[in-house]
Amino acid sequence: ETGVTQSPTHLIKTRGQQVTLRCSSQSGHNTVSWYQQALGQGPQFIFQYYREEENGRGNFPPRFSGLQFPNYSSELNVNALELDDSALYLCASSLPLAGSTDTQYFGPGTRLTVL
Amino acid sequence: QKEVEQNSGPLSVPEGAIASLNCTYSDRVSQSFFWYRQYSGKSPELIMSIYSNGDKEDGRFTAQLNKASQYVSLLIRDSQPSDSATYLCASRRASASKIIFGSGTRLSIRP
Repeated sequence: ETGVTQSPTHLIKTRGQQVTLRCSSQSGHNTVSWYQQALGQGPQFIFQYYREEENGRGNFPPRFSGLQFPNYSSELNVNALELDDSALYLCASSLPLAGSTDTQYFGPGTRLTVL
Repeated sequence: QKEVEQNSGPLSVPEGAIASLNCTYSDRVSQSFFWYRQYSGKSPELIMSIYSNGDKEDGRFTAQLNKASQYVSLLIRDSQPSDSATYLCASRRASASKIIFGSGTRLSIRP
């Protein structure tokens, strides 16, 4: 167990709807990264939040947005859902330290199905 | 060309043998490399990280990095049925936020 939690576990939505996924980082970790993992593929980086600010973004459209709260928990919001958004959404938390390489620890994921 | 490439497998190895998983990367600026294990329906779990050329050992696992050849490998000694999973290779640039993953190699340990 990494101490990273995500909710909900599973979610079914229809095309055009909006969804919010939640993540609580490991205690002491101030950085949260979100990834999308389609079936049979590796995780793809969506974005990262560090101390409530976006700190890097992958090749995802603006309808993918996020937030980080003062307690370092985070939300991923996806608007105008498309069928291709069906995937496992992973949250990873880390604690970047000056002069060292931080490690990202994944939560259990949220399985999103878009019909 | 994908940034991180892995053979998708499946790779079938008899129990007790050495499993060898390979990965190449295209970004010469990459500095950190990771191996994650992912069981079906579960999230990735970090097994090893490696930053310098050479070998790094942790129990039954050995990661190998060759930056000149842009090549990373993972050896699993005394393979067990519980090692059957998908193994994801990943890389990251220094101070970068994103980790870039390969598509994974499916490993099957046969009794």
